[in-house]
Amino acid sequence: KAGVTQTPRYLIKTRGQQVTLSCSPISGHRSVSWYQQTPGQGLQFLFEYFSETQRNKGNFPGRFSGRQFSNSRSEMNVSTLELGDSALYLCASSSGKTQGVIDGYTFGSGTRLTVV
Amino acid sequence: GQQLNQSPQSMFIQEGEDVSMNCTSSSIFNTWLWYKQDPGEGPVLLIALYKAGELTSNGRLTAQFGITRKDSFLNISASIPSDVGIYFCAGSFYNQGGKLIFGQGTELSVKP
Repeated sequence: KAGVTQTPRYLIKTRGQQVTLSCSPISGHRSVSWYQQTPGQGLQFLFEYFSETQRNKGNFPGRFSGRQFSNSRSEMNVSTLELGDSALYLCASSSGKTQGVIDGYTFGSGTRLTVV
Repeated sequence: GQQLNQSPQSMFIQEGEDVSMNCTSSSIFNTWLWYKQDPGEGPVLLIALYKAGELTSNGRLTAQFGITRKDSFLNISASIPSDVGIYFCAGSFYNQGGKLIFGQGTELSVKP
């Protein structure tokens, strides 16, 4: 069973640019969550998508957005990049059948974004 | 953002020793999870806890969901070099299962 796949693994962008990251969940999983990991703030929740709808949202500015497609693949977009957006961006997938239960919550290896 | 208070921040131990780390929160969680992260990789789930008071083992790892639902601990027995890494606790609220709140992590170093 393939795991959670994130592409690309590494990315270098310039301040002011925008970036799109991709996440393919485990087959059958309908929930995809995104996290930002930095040395200073640790792992911070960005948002969760389930059946193409945003179900939960963290406390990030509107420059961070996401979407989910009918095949459950998800993308997140960061516009007008800032130096502080440099981080490891992780996605996790789960069946999402019941919101109150963590079911097979599995992380990908992440995308390392560097903003210069 | 909201975080759990995880301690200790780092540990340096001898191979074969037991390890204990814990997390506390001011909020009540519905689920507690423990993850291990190696450099350059995503966190890997070690143990998931769903009920207050629950004690669960996974090989040499044992974790408990505190009865107040505001804390959890992880024990590693007879540590080995491959236990090296960063351990995170995470909690989720009722009806927000797709959103995890993470602790700051415990960095474990094991000396052979």
